[in-house]
Amino acid sequence: DAGVTQSPTHLIKTRGQHVTLRCSPISGHKSVSWYQQVLGQGPQFIFQYYEKEERGRGNFPDRFSARQFPNYSSELNVNALLLGDSALYLCASTIQGARTQETQYFGPGTRLLVL
Amino acid sequence: KQEVTQIPAALSVPEGENLVLNCSFTDSAIYNLQWFRQDPGKGLTSLLLIQSSQREQTSGRLNASLDKSSGRSTLYIAASQPGDSATYLCAVRNDYKLSFGAGTTVTVRA
Repeated sequence: DAGVTQSPTHLIKTRGQHVTLRCSPISGHKSVSWYQQVLGQGPQFIFQYYEKEERGRGNFPDRFSARQFPNYSSELNVNALLLGDSALYLCASTIQGARTQETQYFGPGTRLLVL
Repeated sequence: KQEVTQIPAALSVPEGENLVLNCSFTDSAIYNLQWFRQDPGKGLTSLLLIQSSQREQTSGRLNASLDKSSGRSTLYIAASQPGDSATYLCAVRNDYKLSFGAGTTVTVRA
């Protein structure tokens, strides 16, 4: 079975532009979470979606938004890009949403560079 | 707010030596604790998951312990190999999210 997949693998944008990152969860998983990992730091939680509804949001500005589709895939959108948005964006999936003891499975990430 | 700390930040050992990686967290109301491995520029690979009711978990050369009351976990890697060189991250789950430490970068010298 395929694991969590993310696209694109790498992306270069300039300040002020908009970007869309995509994630497909493991088959049968209904929950997707997004994390931002800046170089040298641990990942920071951005969003969790379960059954197409937002279940949790981290401390990120409104420039960050996401959605989940009926097939449980997800998009992360970032508007008005800043240099500080340069990071590895990770997607994780689980079968259920919150209050679960499941393992979270992570994708390979999308490396975003903002110039 | 959950704070996760990993000590040391970096570790260099000769091949064959045992590794001990430490993780501490401030809020003991966790669902589980997960140890991950991350190779440079790559995603996260789950190594071990310890449920909040468990004290330890083992997989091959890896053993992780959890003391929830004191907010501590330790990852032991026996008989280290050069292929174990990577960054190791611990993460605790509260409700819907994982909170991560900054990681311990391990170098195993051949």
